[in-house]
Amino acid sequence: EDQVTQSPEALRLQEGESSSLNCSYTVSGLRGLFWYRQDPGKGPEFLFTLYSAGEEKEKERLKATLTKKESFLHITAPKPEDSATYLCAVQASRDDKIIFGKGTRLHILP
Amino acid sequence: DSGVTQTPKHLITATGQRVTLRCSPRSGDLSVYWYQQSLDQGLQFLIQYYNGEERAKGNILERFSAQQFPDLHSELNLSSLELGDSALYFCASSAWGQYYGYTFGSGTRLTVV
Repeated sequence: EDQVTQSPEALRLQEGESSSLNCSYTVSGLRGLFWYRQDPGKGPEFLFTLYSAGEEKEKERLKATLTKKESFLHITAPKPEDSATYLCAVQASRDDKIIFGKGTRLHILP
Repeated sequence: DSGVTQTPKHLITATGQRVTLRCSPRSGDLSVYWYQQSLDQGLQFLIQYYNGEERAKGNILERFSAQQFPDLHSELNLSSLELGDSALYFCASSAWGQYYGYTFGSGTRLTVV
């Protein structure tokens, strides 16, 4: 069964304090691994897609990396506006549906 | 605005009632997906439609049903509602074979009282 586990569940950082969020996954044939950002009461907003081990993607203060078993979302010098829930999801090669992890709630203190 | 439109934004109804949630996908997208999000379960996949036909089913209750119409909009019907059905319901859309993930709507918050 396809599964996505994210850790930690919640993370509080001081502004400027870099850290990483973890996403461990089990999937039968990975088509893609996705990172989304979700603000309270809103729909998830697409950040990155990673397709193969060793791949990296960057956007502003965020960098996503992928291995054969996990992905990391690195946050460098975060700002309070980076506070949100970050969701990791995988898509198997056999179908279209995307399975989400429960997310990491990130809170950046000014 | 993501291009995926969900109505209504909020819905309050009593137990035992039936409601219909509506989703219009992004222009050109043929696939529609429904997800349920509750505090303890995260985003749970319910069902997918592609160009009017059901493509995949997740943990969707028998009291729930969905369809996609010829104009590609989709409706999720929830019946015999229970308190535990209170959640955010999201619709997402994608083009066939798209490898860039989904585009989500802003959701419908359902409260069952």
